[in-house]
Amino acid sequence: DAGVIQSPRHEVTEMGQEVTLRCKPISGHDYLFWYRQTMMRGLELLIYFNNNVPIDDSGMPEDRFSAKMPNASFSTLKIQPSEPRDSAVYFCASSFSGVNQPQHFGDGTRLSIL
Amino acid sequence: QKEVEQNSGPLSVPEGAIASLNCTYSDRGSQSFFWYRQYSGKSPELIMSIYSNGDKEDGRFTAQLNKASQYVSLLIRDSQPSDSATYLCAVKDSSASKIIFGSGTRLSIRP
Repeated sequence: DAGVIQSPRHEVTEMGQEVTLRCKPISGHDYLFWYRQTMMRGLELLIYFNNNVPIDDSGMPEDRFSAKMPNASFSTLKIQPSEPRDSAVYFCASSFSGVNQPQHFGDGTRLSIL
Repeated sequence: QKEVEQNSGPLSVPEGAIASLNCTYSDRGSQSFFWYRQYSGKSPELIMSIYSNGDKEDGRFTAQLNKASQYVSLLIRDSQPSDSATYLCAVKDSSASKIIFGSGTRLSIRP
């Protein structure tokens, strides 16, 4: 079975440019999570969706970040304008609903803002 | 703020020995606990889940849970160099559908 699919795997862009990260969750999973991981701050939850609806976006660092989930099989995380401090690995994860359900992670997008 | 605490390490263990990784959490109502392994440059991978007090064994891995003490641990028996990775303790938030991750313990198995 296909796991969580993220694209691109690597992104290098200049400060000020718009960045769009994409995620396809595991089929049938109704929760989708976006994380950011850095050496300094570890794994941070940015936002999560349930049945395509944003539930908690309190981890989104600022208005430059936005996320959408137009349907059950696709989500985007957008940064506009990007800044060097946004450089990190961004992970998407998905899960079934239920108290005992773990999250399954995609391979991540390594983002470098020059 | 709900927290999950882990010693960042590195924890160095000789090959063949038992590696013991520990975690404490603040959310007293949590019911689900997970251990993820993350190799350098890779994504977190689920290796164990535990929901009841006591021990749960899966191959060389044993997860231990003590809800009264708010403590979770992972034991790795017969440690192999391939076990060298960062291990993330994760606790399901009791009031929201999200998982709170610890900062991870870096484990190094020396030949």
